[in-house]
Amino acid sequence: EPEVTQTPSHQVTQMGQEVILRCVPISNHLYFYWYRQILGQKVEFLVSFYNNEISEKSEIFDDQFSVERPDGSNFTLKIRSTKLEDSAMYFCASKGPGAGNTIYFGEGSWLTVV
Amino acid sequence: AQKITQTQPGMFVQEKEAVTLDCTYDTSDQSYGLFWYKQPSSGEMIFLIYQGSYDEQNATEGRYSLNFQKARKSANLVISASQLGDSAMYFCAMRHTGFQKLVFGTGTRLLVSP
Repeated sequence: EPEVTQTPSHQVTQMGQEVILRCVPISNHLYFYWYRQILGQKVEFLVSFYNNEISEKSEIFDDQFSVERPDGSNFTLKIRSTKLEDSAMYFCASKGPGAGNTIYFGEGSWLTVV
Repeated sequence: AQKITQTQPGMFVQEKEAVTLDCTYDTSDQSYGLFWYKQPSSGEMIFLIYQGSYDEQNATEGRYSLNFQKARKSANLVISASQLGDSAMYFCAMRHTGFQKLVFGTGTRLLVSP
């Protein structure tokens, strides 16, 4: 079964460093997302991406965050200058065409900022 | 604004019994989708079941069924014949058709005992 894959599975970084989280969405999907989950809390929407541009973003997704689809397969989330409160599980997700299609999540990338 | 409420922080069930996880939602829109995801201790988000707001029949996927009561704005997940591997966090989520983001509830932790 097709799946969303994410790398790295875990990353520890120092405060102030840049981090890039990578995702390979399901191949025929057109909508891409990043969510995050701070430990013990609910999953929060960060950003959605369609047709090579951001279609929606949350208040969390400030200027420190950016997304990119550098080629036909990868979808990346960059955090320019990490803060302690960026420590979380980051989920990539993708959805196929059509209104009712399910959103499939990757296994997540644990980011720890020290 | 969209809101998902899961009032059960934790639920216990014995193996082979059925369990219902509650989910209520708040929206003023007519077109939306409701999702349930399972998050085991390993952290990944696993799609379980989807219900569209215009679907007349309750969704079913194997041992999972969604008890959709539109007038009451509830979308409870029913797991039949619980298995030890069902022990996990369960999240209810909603997406408005046309909008891309999923809004999640706070989750219910299910523990299945032998």
